[in-house]
Order: sequence, then structure tokens, then C-alpha cells
Amino acid sequence: DQQVKQNSPSLSVQEGRISILNCDYTNSMFDYFLWYKKYPAEGPTFLISISSIKDKNEDGRFTVFLNKSAKHLSLHIVPSQPGDSAVYFCAASVYNFNKFYFGSGTKLNVKP
Amino acid sequence: DTGVSQDPRHKITKRGQNVTFRCDPISEHNRLYWYRQTLGQGPEFLTYFQNEAQLEKSRLLSDRFSAERPKGSFSTLEIQRTEQGDSAMYLCASSPVGGRSHRYTFGSGTRLTVV
Repeated sequence: DQQVKQNSPSLSVQEGRISILNCDYTNSMFDYFLWYKKYPAEGPTFLISISSIKDKNEDGRFTVFLNKSAKHLSLHIVPSQPGDSAVYFCAASVYNFNKFYFGSGTKLNVKP
Repeated sequence: DTGVSQDPRHKITKRGQNVTFRCDPISEHNRLYWYRQTLGQGPEFLTYFQNEAQLEKSRLLSDRFSAERPKGSFSTLEIQRTEQGDSAMYLCASSPVGGRSHRYTFGSGTRLTVV
């Protein structure tokens, strides 16, 4: 059963504009959420996280929003840069972080 | 900090053969994880170690799969009697204990192809 879903396999955005990547989850026990970024031939790298006690977390150009009632989170990248082109995975865990449930990823293409 | 190393990067094997993968985590990290990623999907949890103790295993990990982490350092993942459905990218990750334990550092993975 897919507990974390990313329904958009791909997204194309012009350089300088905002990229919005979306993620939905079904398990209300999840209380910690992350976004990972993956380039080809490399492992995923940690990007940003948010705990369920918050609804927003910012780190530079990256902001994650959490809507617990809708079981939805989103990643905003402003402004988007060509180097942001990668596959983005959202992941969710209960607080012990022993395992994460990953979405299937969204491939972002930022066009120069 | 040399990151998480996985060996080999690629492995092609015939169905029915046994394969073993190695993962060297970041030396200060107590936690080590194995995930499997198939085409078009996100990583799926397989198993988790804290130091040398294997604390959790997914039901994806059939009895053909075994993982070890002797002395709490490197880890090995063995698949016996490989099947074509085992073809996937096998990812290892490590993290520290404590407040940053959610920040996994992943290796580049071992891509297994069973022919």
C-alpha cells in the first residue's frame, strides 16, 4: 500500500519562476516529513524537513508547507535554477525515524 | 567524512545465483539502513541496524535475504537464489543517533540485474 504519494511524475518550470512539488500521505500517524533530491547515478540527498508541530519550514530558496488536515505537503523552490533539475522524493516517518516511507518522486526540469 | 560507500556499483547475475553487497557507512553514524528502489518508484525500506543490532526488518525481506552488520561498522546484504524480481537499486544509508537521526546520508547504490 502506497502511504506516500506524489501524483505528478514530472514538472517543467522556467528558470527564475517558482517550482511547487506536491505530496500526499494517508497515514495519520506520520509526524515527520522530509524532501530528498536525487541526481542521476547518485543516492538521494537530504534537502529539508518538517515536523508535524509546524506548518512551514524554510531553508534559503526552499520552503516546505504541511497541511495536516489535508494530509498534504508541498515543496516550494523560489527562484528555480537549472541546477535544481533532479528527481525530488517526499518521505514520511513516525518520530523514531527508524524507517521512512517514500513517494515515487517528481522529476523537475528547470529550463534556462 | 567520505560519505557512504557501496560496493559494487553494478552487479549482473544469473537467476539462482547468490549475491552479496557491501555498505560502509559514515564512521560516526550508529544507524544503518537498507532500502530497495525499483524503476519509477521511491526507495522502500528493507532493514535497519543500530550499531550491530538488526532492529527492524520489512516483510519485503523474504527468507532469501539476510543482512548483517558485524561490530557495528560495515554491513552486508546477501540475496540467495536470486530471482528476476530482485532486479533493483539497493541503497544503503546511515544516520547518527539523536536529533539529526532523520538526516540520512545515502550511498550511490548497487544496481542489481538478474538475467
